[in-house]
Amino acid sequence: EAGVVQSPRYKIIEKKQPVAFWCNPISGHNTLYWYLQNLGQGPELLIRYENEEAVDDSQLPKDRFSAERLKGVDSTLKIQPAELGDSAVYLCASSVLRGSGGETQYFGPGTRLLVL
Amino acid sequence: QKEVEQNSGPLSVPEGAIASLNCTYSDRGSQSFFWYRQYSGKSPELIMFIYSNGDKEDGRFTAQLNKASQYVSLLIRDSQPSDSATYLCAVYGGATNKLIFGTGTLLAVQP
Repeated sequence: EAGVVQSPRYKIIEKKQPVAFWCNPISGHNTLYWYLQNLGQGPELLIRYENEEAVDDSQLPKDRFSAERLKGVDSTLKIQPAELGDSAVYLCASSVLRGSGGETQYFGPGTRLLVL
Repeated sequence: QKEVEQNSGPLSVPEGAIASLNCTYSDRGSQSFFWYRQYSGKSPELIMFIYSNGDKEDGRFTAQLNKASQYVSLLIRDSQPSDSATYLCAVYGGATNKLIFGTGTLLAVQP
């Protein structure tokens, strides 16, 4: 079974430029998560989707970040404009929604973003 | 107080020894507890999860949960150099209804 797929794996951009990350979850996983991980820290949730619906985006900086999950499968996370402090690893994860919460999440390889 | 706390380490153990990794959490309503391993430059990889008080064993790994003390641990028996990585404790449930990660403990297994 294929795991969570993310692209690109690495991205270097100049500040104020836009950037987008793509994620394809594990087949059959209807819950998708975007996390941000800074060096030496654990992942922090940005947004969680259940199917097409964003059910938790409280930690997403909406002035510059946006996300979408059309058709409830692939998802895209966008930053516009990027700032120096956005340099981090952006992780996508997916799980099967069973309604009880605490479902096991499986992570993709991440996109390492460097903003110059 | 952080929601999930771990000693950042590094925790250094000799090859073949038992490595003990500890984690405490602040939300008494937490329901599910996970251990992830993360190699440098890689993404987190699930090792184990535990929901009930007591021990849960899987191969060389044992997760221990004590909800009264708000404490979860991971024991790695017969530690190998390939176990050298950062171990992330993650806690789900309670007030946040999301998976909260600790900052991780760096384990170094010395050959």
